[in-house]
Amino acid sequence: DAKTTQPTSMDCAEGRAANLPCNHSTISGNEYVYWYRQIHSQGPQYIIHGLKNNETNEMASLIITEDRKSSTLILPHATLRDTAVYYCIRGGGATNKLIFGTGTLLAVQP
Amino acid sequence: NAGVTQTPKFRVLKTGQSMTLLCAQDMNHEYMYWYRQDPGMGLRLIHYSVGEGTTAKGEVPDGYNVSRLKKQNFLLGLESAAPSQTSVYFCASSKERPRYTFGSGTRLTVV
Repeated sequence: DAKTTQPTSMDCAEGRAANLPCNHSTISGNEYVYWYRQIHSQGPQYIIHGLKNNETNEMASLIITEDRKSSTLILPHATLRDTAVYYCIRGGGATNKLIFGTGTLLAVQP
Repeated sequence: NAGVTQTPKFRVLKTGQSMTLLCAQDMNHEYMYWYRQDPGMGLRLIHYSVGEGTTAKGEVPDGYNVSRLKKQNFLLGLESAAPSQTSVYFCASSKERPRYTFGSGTRLTVV
């Protein structure tokens, strides 16, 4: 089972940083950590991914612990449009397939 | 630059009817995937393809068949629809690493 563990829901004030945790304690050495989000009923959207090092792009930052058993997605200045379900997924490999869990519903409050 | 296009967007079927969902991508991606999403749940992988002419089973393949005759198209078939197949179906494609591009979904109701 390639699932991860995330809180069911979180709140964040608009303009503040949103920190979404994820536990992947059984991740193997060649598995990446991927983050996607799904706004309302749209198709999921890729956010960021990483293996060992911390990563940053125009949308978010990804902090991976040294033992790789957990990670945190950071949205530096959350807006109302960031309200969505955020999925943390471990995977990759030759088939490139991803197994989604139930994710974290992030509610950004005005 | 359409990305991933799913056809149709909505459909109502009667139990026992058959239908085919079409996924088309114009990004020359090798990998394609079909997921279903039930209310309040995450996405579950039905079938996937790692290249033209290949298909493989995912987490929940029963009751579905797929074909990838052309690189740009991935078809999902329901031979005999059942109410349990009422769901939102998402198609995705990727070129390298699982940086998926998803379609907007097909909302299927089986009555």
